[in-house]
Amino acid sequence: NAGVTQTPKFRVLKTGQSMTLLCAQDMNHEYMYWYRQDPGMGLRLIHYSVGEGTTAKGEVPDGYNVSRLKKQNFLLGLESAAPSQTSVYFCASSTGDSGANVLTFGAGSRLTVL
Amino acid sequence: GQNIDQPTEMTATEGAIVQINCTYQTSGFNGLFWYQQHAGEAPTFLSYNVLDGLEEKGRFSSFLSRSKGYSYLLLKELQMKDSASYLCAVLDSNYQLIWGAGTKLIIKP
Repeated sequence: NAGVTQTPKFRVLKTGQSMTLLCAQDMNHEYMYWYRQDPGMGLRLIHYSVGEGTTAKGEVPDGYNVSRLKKQNFLLGLESAAPSQTSVYFCASSTGDSGANVLTFGAGSRLTVL
Repeated sequence: GQNIDQPTEMTATEGAIVQINCTYQTSGFNGLFWYQQHAGEAPTFLSYNVLDGLEEKGRFSSFLSRSKGYSYLLLKELQMKDSASYLCAVLDSNYQLIWGAGTKLIIKP
């Protein structure tokens, strides 16, 4: 079982460039999430999805877009990267059961925007 | 606003016991989670508390007091591999997870 797989693991972008981070899970989870993790701060939710074809905004959605065309995949797009988007991005998935909704995380994608 | 407070860093000795505290102020409460995150890796689930009291899982235990907005993670018989960050997260009334910044635990021989 691969769990949650993120690609790429590392990427360097110039300001204004675009890119897509791919997240794939093989656990048949309904819910998927994109977080960013910055030094000295808690994980912050960017966007999430409660099922195939659905997306919703999290705490810090500006500058990002997402798509969930297939249940197992959740894509995070940056249309015009900015230095403030330099961060480590984590994808996670869960069954979505209320309460003990345990998240399974991918290994992370480190993005640097110059 | 919603807030989760944990110490930034703690140091402990191999074989000893350490308690990592977490206090929270959130709009509602539907459970509290602890995750472990080794440097450069993904967070992994450790424990979940929704009722007051102590939950024990091997060397790790987690305690919750909802009236005090307080939890702690207790790690016994510390091993070098326990060096990691420990993240506290609360599920609020909208079932959104609010995360603390994490406590970096350093284990010394």
